[in-house]
Amino acid sequence: IQMTQSPSSLSASVGDRVAITCQASRHITNQLHWYQHKRGEAPKLLIFDASILETGVPSRFSGSGYGTDFTFTISSLQPEDSATYYCQQHDDIPAFGGGTKVEVK
Amino acid sequence: EVQLLESGGDLVQPGGSLRLSCATSGFSFSNFAMSWVRQAPGKGLEWLSAIRAGDGRTWYADTVKGRFTISRDDSRGTVYLQLNSLRGEDTAVYYCARDRDFPKDVFDFWGQGTLVTVSS
Repeated sequence: IQMTQSPSSLSASVGDRVAITCQASRHITNQLHWYQHKRGEAPKLLIFDASILETGVPSRFSGSGYGTDFTFTISSLQPEDSATYYCQQHDDIPAFGGGTKVEVK
Repeated sequence: EVQLLESGGDLVQPGGSLRLSCATSGFSFSNFAMSWVRQAPGKGLEWLSAIRAGDGRTWYADTVKGRFTISRDDSRGTVYLQLNSLRGEDTAVYYCARDRDFPKDVFDFWGQGTLVTVSS
């Protein structure tokens, strides 16, 4: 399964609403997870099963979608949200999307 | 507190070998599947290999199948990745990750990574 993630990068201001999409090449039900990766740090799980917020993750992060089309949203961008975000699907083997680098102006 | 600590990364010549280790603590290691993921310079995350709890069944990405071998030692709480026939494109930071909900592959804890550089 191929995962097409877009955009590859974006720049937005503090308080903006930001959305990232991930499209699977075939139906994957809700088997889609989202991670945040900051330079020099371990990746961090934010959302699993397309829409479930991981414990301890701020509520400004959310996910939606089912089947082939998925969206990750940051409702009010904060300075600490500067990072690269990845979707990851599970089918027979896991695979990551290409990543979206988010810059906070 | 769950902790994962990778080690073993180094500078190695093309064609060489290396063994990476991921020592864990803070959870019942024998109950969890584990994976290795890497990030090459300027690239995104790439899943490489997984090993299931219990029977130790393994899976590999096509890019490393036949060259890399994953294994685990439940008595030590450690997962390994043997890297053979290394190429320049294997240069990357290698991460281990815990799979909380196998086979859903939800990677809930990760290590800080270990750098492998393949160069002559």
